[in-house]
Amino acid sequence: ETGVTQSPTHLIKTRGQQVTLRCSSQSGHNTVSWYQQALGQGPQFIFQYYREEENGRGNFPPRFSGLQFPNYSSELNVNALELDDSALYLCASSLGGRTGTGELFFGEGSRLTVL
Amino acid sequence: AQSVTQPDIHITVSEGASLELRCNYSYGATPYLFWYVQSPGQGLQLLLKYFSGDTLVQGIKGFEAEFKRSQSSFNLRKPSVHWSDAAEYFCAAVPTSGGSYIPTFGRGTSLIVHP
Repeated sequence: ETGVTQSPTHLIKTRGQQVTLRCSSQSGHNTVSWYQQALGQGPQFIFQYYREEENGRGNFPPRFSGLQFPNYSSELNVNALELDDSALYLCASSLGGRTGTGELFFGEGSRLTVL
Repeated sequence: AQSVTQPDIHITVSEGASLELRCNYSYGATPYLFWYVQSPGQGLQLLLKYFSGDTLVQGIKGFEAEFKRSQSSFNLRKPSVHWSDAAEYFCAAVPTSGGSYIPTFGRGTSLIVHP
């Protein structure tokens, strides 16, 4: 059983650029959630994908967008990067649907620095 | 609004001492409840979870948590802390109605362990 993997682990961008972060979900999981964690803060929910459809969205602007693929892996895209987007981006997979409980399995995160 | 509160930002204990980290939730109905631990620069790891039934829940690494409906609390405890327990601890709650199973996290409590 493979766990949740994220790439890249670290990256540096400049303001205005665009970034794509990737996540492979744990085997058997059909749901992927993305969280933003600023330094010293708890994870803030960005959005969740269940079977390739967006299943919920937090208080983030439209320049944060996502995608889930048929194999349940996922991407997070952020356009027009701002300095405040600097954070650890966490991907978590879970089993959704009627048997879902919200128990999350996290990857190690992608550390984004915006200069 | 649904929320999770961790009133203590930092907790300092001596190695070998007991530990209690507080978590309170505000939901219409009792949610599913979780505790996660995060080491520096890492993703979150599940310590334990409560869905229903026995109000004292055992987790990994010697941790336990007690659900108290009357106090809307789910406090994490450990009888004897080890230096390796120094980390960030997050309480999370998932609504049991609505079908989205999207967790809300508290802001976290940083545990510092003195030798």
